[in-house]
Amino acid sequence: ETGVTQSPTHLIKTRGQQVTLRCSSQSGHNTVSWYQQALGQGPQFIFQYYREEENGRGNFPPRFSGLQFPNYSSELNVNALELDDSALYLCASSLNRLSSGNTIYFGEGSWLTVV
Amino acid sequence: ELKVEQNPLFLSMQEGKNYTIYCNYSTTSDRLYWYRQDPGKSLESLFVLLSNGAVKQEGRLMASLDTKARLSTLHITAAVHDLSATYFCAVGLMSGSRLTFGEGTQLTVNP
Repeated sequence: ETGVTQSPTHLIKTRGQQVTLRCSSQSGHNTVSWYQQALGQGPQFIFQYYREEENGRGNFPPRFSGLQFPNYSSELNVNALELDDSALYLCASSLNRLSSGNTIYFGEGSWLTVV
Repeated sequence: ELKVEQNPLFLSMQEGKNYTIYCNYSTTSDRLYWYRQDPGKSLESLFVLLSNGAVKQEGRLMASLDTKARLSTLHITAAVHDLSATYFCAVGLMSGSRLTFGEGTQLTVNP
């Protein structure tokens, strides 16, 4: 049990639609990141939020966007879904301290299938 | 661009044997993580290594870090079937939860 919860756990969308995935961070963690993990690959960093602002972004197009709320919960939004967006989406939380050695905790993930 | 490479990518071993998974990375970092992932599941944190020469052990797994060589190892001692999973190393370059992952090592322990 990592204290990071994600919803929904599974969903199926049609190409071109939009999806919102949600994450509730571990208590006290003010930094949240989102990752995309395609089948058989390692997770790829999408972006990170710290105190409600985007604080780093990976190589993903602008149709991937996010929000972080005052209670440190977070959303990942993907517009104009493509078949290649089918993946496991993971939310990770941590304390954002310079030179921090804190463990980074991952949620159980949301499985997205685009048909 | 930071690159993280693991080898081997696939490892099949017998119960009771020892083996080592290697993780090389291309840029100086102050944080190295090891995670375990079971099929269809999320990532379970195994180790966080923060300094050169760091060594951590939990059960049959031991991780070490050589920051000068930009190399981390995950050593498996006397493998058992329950260790079958995919193991990822990941490197952190900034504070927070931004990590660059290796491709993963799929470990199968056979009776």
